[in-house]
Amino acid sequence: NAGVTQTPKFQVLKTGQSMTLQCAQDMNHNSMYWYRQDPGMGLRLIYYSASEGTTDKGEVPNGYNVSRLNKREFSLRLESAAPSQTSVYFCASSEASQGNEKLFFGSGTQLSVL
Amino acid sequence: KQEVTQIPAALSVPEGENLVLNCSFTDSAIYNLQWFRQDPGKGLTSLLLIQSSQREQTSGRLNASLDKSSGRSTLYIAASQPGDSATYLCAEDQTGANNLFFGTGTRLTVIP
Repeated sequence: NAGVTQTPKFQVLKTGQSMTLQCAQDMNHNSMYWYRQDPGMGLRLIYYSASEGTTDKGEVPNGYNVSRLNKREFSLRLESAAPSQTSVYFCASSEASQGNEKLFFGSGTQLSVL
Repeated sequence: KQEVTQIPAALSVPEGENLVLNCSFTDSAIYNLQWFRQDPGKGLTSLLLIQSSQREQTSGRLNASLDKSSGRSTLYIAASQPGDSATYLCAEDQTGANNLFFGTGTRLTVIP
């Protein structure tokens, strides 16, 4: 089973460029999440989608947009990349967003903005 | 503002030793507390989830406890092995919507 798949694994951007990080899960989960991980700060929630057709802001949404394309896919878009967005980005999914559900994570996208 | 603290940031132990990792959180009104493992260059793997009504959860050599009144959780690893070397992160869920607040982790090295 693939679980949660993220593409690309690595990306280098110049300031002002745009890009979309892709995430897909094959576990028929309803909820999906985007986190960023920075040294010394732990993971922080950017956006989440409790179910297909819904999206909500997390702790650090500024500079990002998301699309829940269908039940399987949840993409994260940087419209105009900034050096402060250099980070490792993780996508995660869970069966539901309510109740005590475990999260399943992808292997991450390492993004550098120069 | 929610804060989750993990001390120490790094820990080295000889193989076979029992060890405890600590996690502190500021708000006792949590929905659940979760422990994850992260290997270098990899994503997170869920280890244990303790619901607010529970005091502990066990999986194999791992035991996690939760004390809401003191704002603390511990992860106990018995008979540590080199394969346990990884970063361990705790995260609290205050609302039940899986909007987790993570600690910065404890990097564990088990020396053969």
